[in-house]
Amino acid sequence: ETGVTQTPRHLVMGMTNKKSLKCEQHLGHNAMYWYKQSAKKPLELMFVYSLEERVENNSVPSRFSPECPNSSHLFLHLHTLQPEDSALYLCASSQDETVMGYTFGSGTRLTVV
Amino acid sequence: GENVEQHPSTLSVQEGDSAVIKCTYSDSASNYFPWYKQELGKGPQLIIDIRSNVGEKKDQRIAVTLNKTAKHFSLHITETQPEDSAVYFCAASRGVLTGGGNKLTFGTGTQLKVEL
Repeated sequence: ETGVTQTPRHLVMGMTNKKSLKCEQHLGHNAMYWYKQSAKKPLELMFVYSLEERVENNSVPSRFSPECPNSSHLFLHLHTLQPEDSALYLCASSQDETVMGYTFGSGTRLTVV
Repeated sequence: GENVEQHPSTLSVQEGDSAVIKCTYSDSASNYFPWYKQELGKGPQLIIDIRSNVGEKKDQRIAVTLNKTAKHFSLHITETQPEDSAVYFCAASRGVLTGGGNKLTFGTGTQLKVEL
């Protein structure tokens, strides 16, 4: 357990479904992130939140909608996904007073059918 | 934007041997370089990092070196053990973003296999 918990661990959804991924961090960090991990590709930054405000949206399609209700929780709402969106979605957190590495959760393995 | 290249993509070593993974980065303003280890079914875990004001850092069997002039950095694992088998990622950052947070750009990963 890293202090960053992601649920569910696995998710299979149809292209017309709506689902949400949840991330919770117990580290007192003030920044949270969503990354997409696909085979043979570098981890792709999707969203950055700092103190519950979105500070970066890395040209992510609107079918992915993040939400950060407080500094401990981060959601990724999914709708009308495509098969190519199947991937491991990783949540991370950091404390950004000084630049430092992230603490990652174990990820949600998403399969779009 | 930043681009990080990582080599090799796969690496097999005998137990007890050393392993070296190399990364290059493109943004000369990058100043923070972490390394992550990802085991099967888990998220990446930070194992060591180095900042641009330091040329080398060591933590037991792992070390990282940084050459700012050449814009490359390397991970060195000595006396490898089977439990070192995993995927290793390098990353680079130019610091805290305007508004907060810290954007890491990752390499494509190296699958390290330590054979008995």
